[in-house]
Amino acid sequence: AQKVTQAQTEISVVEKEDVTLDCVYETRDTTYYLFWYKQPPSGELVFLIRRNSFDEQNEISGRYSWNFQKSTSSFNFTITASQVVDSAVYFCALRLLSGYSTLTFGKGTMLLVSP
Amino acid sequence: DTAVSQTPKYLVTQMGNDKSIKCEQNLGHDTMYWYKQDSKKFLKIMFSYNNKELIINETVPNRFSPKSPDKAHLNLHINSLELGDSAVYFCASSQVANPWDTQYFGPGTRLTVL
Repeated sequence: AQKVTQAQTEISVVEKEDVTLDCVYETRDTTYYLFWYKQPPSGELVFLIRRNSFDEQNEISGRYSWNFQKSTSSFNFTITASQVVDSAVYFCALRLLSGYSTLTFGKGTMLLVSP
Repeated sequence: DTAVSQTPKYLVTQMGNDKSIKCEQNLGHDTMYWYKQDSKKFLKIMFSYNNKELIINETVPNRFSPKSPDKAHLNLHINSLELGDSAVYFCASSQVANPWDTQYFGPGTRLTVL
């Protein structure tokens, strides 16, 4: 069975600091998909990125970047120069290719960015 | 225009009552889902429908019954509400049931059972 671990329950930083949110996953499948979602205080779930297991290229989108390392089964998320609006709970999720698999979420990391 | 909408946003009710939560998506997607987020923020899939057909039914009490009148709607009916049903319920949709398809979530419905 698959599993996603976000070991950091809560992180507090001061604005403009860089912060990395860790995500480690477990699966025996070779084909799978990884996702990050953001849940701001308003409560909705916002899709951030999707990555498939064959694409280990890192991705940068503005202040956000993602580092996918298959060797360590990690898909970490870095926010550069954090801002107060980045305060949210961030979820990493995994979905397998096989059958009607479900999206398995980690427990989330709450990021608090103070001014 | 909201892509995935849910009504109501908040629902407060007494134990033992029956209630429904409605979900609609205007993205033209074939697949819809219900998730439950507990008080510790843990998100878990409950059901998935593809073109009005149930394809995923996790171990959910049969007091919970999803209904999909058409592929743009997936409603969740809960009978005999219990205290432990208090949670935020999220509806989501994806283009098809493929694992690589991104799921887009609704704003959530916060259910409080007193």
